[in-house]
Amino acid sequence: GAVVSQHPSRVICKSGTSVKIECRSLDFQATTMFWYRQFPKQSLMLMATSNEGSKATYEQGVEKDKFLINHASLTLSTLTVTSAHPEDSSFYICSARDGQPIYEQYFGPGTRLTVT
Amino acid sequence: AQKITQTQPGMFVQEKEAVTLDCTYDTSDPSYGLFWYKQPSSGEMIFLIYQGSYDQQNATEGRYSLNFQKARKSANLVISASQLGDSAMYFCAMRETDSWGKFQFGAGTQVVVTP
Repeated sequence: GAVVSQHPSRVICKSGTSVKIECRSLDFQATTMFWYRQFPKQSLMLMATSNEGSKATYEQGVEKDKFLINHASLTLSTLTVTSAHPEDSSFYICSARDGQPIYEQYFGPGTRLTVT
Repeated sequence: AQKITQTQPGMFVQEKEAVTLDCTYDTSDPSYGLFWYKQPSSGEMIFLIYQGSYDQQNATEGRYSLNFQKARKSANLVISASQLGDSAMYFCAMRETDSWGKFQFGAGTQVVVTP
C-alpha cells in the first residue's frame, strides 16, 4: 500500500521559535495533501488542504501566517509553525491523495510537537 | 455544524464479543464516502473500511463490517470477535464530492477490550 512518512516524529522547541514538519509520499505522487491537528483525546481537525504548486487552502480559524504550508513537489509538503507558543503543542498529522480513486487517502504517522 | 456524530465517547467490550460503534452523518451531497479509522495509542491512523453512498451492499473487511442505513444516515461499525489489540480510538469520517477529498471526522469512540 501507499506510504506517507512524516519527519520528525517528535519535536520539542522553545517558545518563539519556528519548527518545520515534513510530509512525504514515498511511493506515489501526491496531488493533494492535507494537514490535521489533534489535541489529546480529541478528533482530527483539518487545518489546510494543499495542492502541488499552488497555495494552500486554510480552514476557517486557522492562521495562515502562523501555519505556513508549502507543497513544492508531488512528494513533499511542509508545515512550518512560526513563532510557536505552548498552545501550539499538539499532534500534527498529514495525509495525501494520489488523485485516483478519490476516496483513497493515506495518513502519515504524525508528529508530536511540544513547545516549552 | 457537526456533520459526523459519534455519540459513544467510550466503550468496554469483552474479548471475543462483538461491538457496534455508532456513527451518524449529515449531508445533502448525493455522492459521498464514509470511512472508519482506528487510532491506537501510537497515533497512526489505520484505515478499516469504506462505504460509498451508492454502494448497494454493506462493506465488509475481515472482522469489520459497516451497517449502512442510508435513509437514517447512519454508518455503524461492527467489530466481530474482539481482540485485545482492538483497543484503540475509532473515528468515523465522511468525504463529500466537492471537498477535494478532505475528510470530516467524528469525535471518536474509545474502545477498551478486556480479557
